[in-house]
Amino acid sequence: GQNIDQPTEMTATEGAIVQINCTYQTSGFNGLFWYQQHAGEAPTFLSYNVLDGLEEKGRFSSFLSRSKGYSYLLLKELQMKDSASYLCAVMDSNYQLIWGAGTKLIIKP
Amino acid sequence: ETGVTQTPRHLVMGMTNKKSLKCEQHLGHNAMYWYKQSAKKPLELMFVYNFKEQTENNSVPSRFSPECPNSSHLFLHLHTLQPEDSALYLCASSQSEGQGTEAFFGQGTRLTVV
Repeated sequence: GQNIDQPTEMTATEGAIVQINCTYQTSGFNGLFWYQQHAGEAPTFLSYNVLDGLEEKGRFSSFLSRSKGYSYLLLKELQMKDSASYLCAVMDSNYQLIWGAGTKLIIKP
Repeated sequence: ETGVTQTPRHLVMGMTNKKSLKCEQHLGHNAMYWYKQSAKKPLELMFVYNFKEQTENNSVPSRFSPECPNSSHLFLHLHTLQPEDSALYLCASSQSEGQGTEAFFGQGTRLTVV
């Protein structure tokens, strides 16, 4: 079966760095997405990786290793507004998005 | 404003009621999606429409009936729902189905079945 694993919840301190991991087992691979979802709001796109390596976008970076079935989202200089759920999703060989259950990130002052 | 608008934002309905959820996208996209989001569970894809044609139905019970009259509008008709259908229903759109096509989501309809 297809499976996406990510931690259920993480806590970090304002100003610090946090890494949210995602491992996947899917039928084929056509890219990996990270989305941010604040409580009661729409998920919003953060990043897309289809080749191995690190993609940096401001305070957020996303890394992919296809051989290991592994990705992480790195958030630097954490701000209180970064408190949200972070969703990992993989596009399989049928171009279907397979979603993880999300990681709830709690930022403390 | 995400470009994808869903109404209503909240809905409470009895198990014998009939109601409809509406989604509208202003992005010129060709693919639209219905997802179900339950607490602490992965997003569940329900239906996909590409160029107004239904391309995916993920074994969704017939008490959920989608309708896509044009590329900008998507409806989800609900009837005789069960309490376990209570969830957040998200609509999304993308340029098309396929590699690297980022999905844009609406804010969802929080549905409670009583």
